[in-house]
Amino acid sequence: DTGVSQDPRHKITKRGQNVTFRCDPISEHNRLYWYRQTLGQGPEFLTYFQNEAQLEKSRLLSDRFSAERPKGSFSTLEIQRTEQGDSAMYLCASSFGGPAYFGPGTRLTVT
Amino acid sequence: AQSVTQPDIHITVSEGASLELRCNYSYGATPYLFWYVQSPGQGLQLLLKYFSGDTLVQGIKGFEAEFKRSQSSFNLRKPSVHWSDAAEYFCAVGPNFGNEKLTFGTGTRLTIIP
Repeated sequence: DTGVSQDPRHKITKRGQNVTFRCDPISEHNRLYWYRQTLGQGPEFLTYFQNEAQLEKSRLLSDRFSAERPKGSFSTLEIQRTEQGDSAMYLCASSFGGPAYFGPGTRLTVT
Repeated sequence: AQSVTQPDIHITVSEGASLELRCNYSYGATPYLFWYVQSPGQGLQLLLKYFSGDTLVQGIKGFEAEFKRSQSSFNLRKPSVHWSDAAEYFCAVGPNFGNEKLTFGTGTRLTIIP
C-alpha cells in the first residue's frame, strides 16, 4: 500500500488553458474525494465518488470543472479555461468505511 | 450550515512545553470531529477522530483531544512538544466516518522554538 498518489505535483499554466489532474487512491478504497485548498485556508470540499458514481458536488465546482472516476479506481479532475482564481492546491483523498487518507496534492498556478 | 473556527492563526511554543490548539464547531447533528496535521509538501495526516464515547480521545504522535459538547469545542493537546511537531493543524467536522465530506477550519500554524 503506497498511499494516495497525485500527478502532477505541480502545474503552471496560462490563463484560458485546460488542465487535468490525476488521483490514484489506495487500492480497494471505494470512496474518493476532491478538495481545494487556497493559501491560508483549510481544504474545501469539491466532490466525491463512491466507486464510479459521483454522489455529490459542491457549489464551488463550477461548470468549468469536471471530475470522473470511470472504473471506480483512479480519478481525474479537469479545469477548462483556467482563471487566476483557480490557483490552489488540489487534494485528493480516499476511504473505505473509515477516515480518509489524503494525497500530497497538486499545486496549480495560473499565470 | 456546519462550520469550524480555529481562533489562533499562529502559535509559537518552546520545545518541551505543553500545547493546546483551540477548535470550536457549529453542527446541526451529532458531529464527527477530526484533527489533521499538514507538514510542508506533505498531505494531510489524520491525528485523531471522535464521534461518541469517552470525550478524551488519544491519537498518534502523543496527541489527544477533548470533546466538550457544552462549549462546542474539540481542543487538541500535547503534554510536551517536539521540534518535529512544527506544522499546520486543521480541525474538521463531518457527517460520519465513512463520508469524508469534511468542513475544515482555517488552520493553526505551530512554530517550535528551541
